Amino acid sequence: RKEVEQDPGPFNVPEGATVAFNCTYSNSASQSFFWYRQDCRKEPKLLMSVYSSGNEDGRFTAQLNRASQYISLLIRDSKLSDSATYLCVARSGGYQKVTFGTGTKLQVIP
Amino acid sequence: NAGVMQNPRHLVRRRGQEARLRCSPMKGHSHVYWYRQLPEEGLKFMVYLQKENIIDESGMPKERFSAEFPKEGPSILRIQQVVRGDSAAYFCASRQGNQPQHFGDGTRLSIL
Repeated sequence: RKEVEQDPGPFNVPEGATVAFNCTYSNSASQSFFWYRQDCRKEPKLLMSVYSSGNEDGRFTAQLNRASQYISLLIRDSKLSDSATYLCVARSGGYQKVTFGTGTKLQVIP
Repeated sequence: NAGVMQNPRHLVRRRGQEARLRCSPMKGHSHVYWYRQLPEEGLKFMVYLQKENIIDESGMPKERFSAEFPKEGPSILRIQQVVRGDSAAYFCASRQGNQPQHFGDGTRLSIL
């Protein structure tokens, strides 16, 4: 079983739609969580950190469920520019091992 | 305030040559990570270094690959006797403290 698992997609959604991605992690020692986005042939860029109480940044909402060991990303009012691969990241304590999921591909269509 | 700097952006080598990839972390960052990404695939962790120390190299192939992060200068990922299968994008990321990682633009390695 992978340490961080994501549905690879692709998720094809129309502009303006709301879309949600889930990500599960297996290491219960994971303490910090992040969402990155990666455009084709570019470097991953930090989208947002994920806090236990949930957090929102504009059209993006991230949530963490420690009991079930999953995090989610909700995108409201999708834009064409949201088309990318979204990477879920879990980081453990100690020397802070960082594990990336393989990503969920989102395609927003006009 | 420069971000993570990787060079070269593109590197072409013939089979059997050596490839050296450089990564200068963000100012003040002492933790460096290297990842490899094949086309249409996810990021694969290779190695995690802190100044002068290798913390985790569980993702590094056992042969031909090595990494260092000296006290002065950039981190270097070195691939000896390259083969076609080494063709990939190699990304470096750095962080400091509990902050998230920030990535460089990557080096695209092509093996002829």
